[in-house]
Amino acid sequence: DGGITQSPKYLFRKEGQNVTLSCEQNLNHDAMYWYRQDPGQGLRLIYYSQIVNDFQKGDIAEGYSVSREKKESFPLTVTSAQKNPTAFYLCASSWILGQETQYFGPGTRLLVL
Amino acid sequence: DAKTTQPNSMESNEEEPVHLPCNHSTISGTDYIHWYRQLPSQGPEYVIHGLTSNVNNRMASLAIAEDRKSSTLILHRATLRDAAVYYCILGRTGGGADGLTFGKGTHLIIQP
Repeated sequence: DGGITQSPKYLFRKEGQNVTLSCEQNLNHDAMYWYRQDPGQGLRLIYYSQIVNDFQKGDIAEGYSVSREKKESFPLTVTSAQKNPTAFYLCASSWILGQETQYFGPGTRLLVL
Repeated sequence: DAKTTQPNSMESNEEEPVHLPCNHSTISGTDYIHWYRQLPSQGPEYVIHGLTSNVNNRMASLAIAEDRKSSTLILHRATLRDAAVYYCILGRTGGGADGLTFGKGTHLIIQP
């Protein structure tokens, strides 16, 4: 089955620690995205990538970093500089950046200890 | 920036039709209108999209105003499983990151 997988489902971070959220897709999509969702709120764009080895900051990139070394993978690192990381993180992909239908993963919920 | 406006919440009864409105008065001629829905603690799921003409699929129908400044997602016969947050967003024909912002959406409540 084609789709997007995210792991882990739940992640706990200690103060001052960097953590990495995994996102893998086997849909052969060029574009990938990371969103953050706070309780009762919509989705906010963190980073996006149109193609391998290229990525751009979204609306709330501070305290986060990404890489796109492979077409199917787009990991997100939440750094210690992100002071309020507790949120639901969603990864998505699409054929064309910003136009076509986006397919979302199941999400990772990050909690701070 | 293109943006959309939706009611915070709507309530409907099971097995009745539901009409979810979306205003997008600053839409450009080449913006697609996309609808997604999100169940609690899950990722959003694509529902339908269109450009100018009304669209139908197995999940819903999309009615687009003639001036394209508004659209309506129609669920023909709501079930309890349709209770979700529904997002209306715009996607640029040429691609790009504009319009990749999901607002708070409309929280649809279905009464049995």
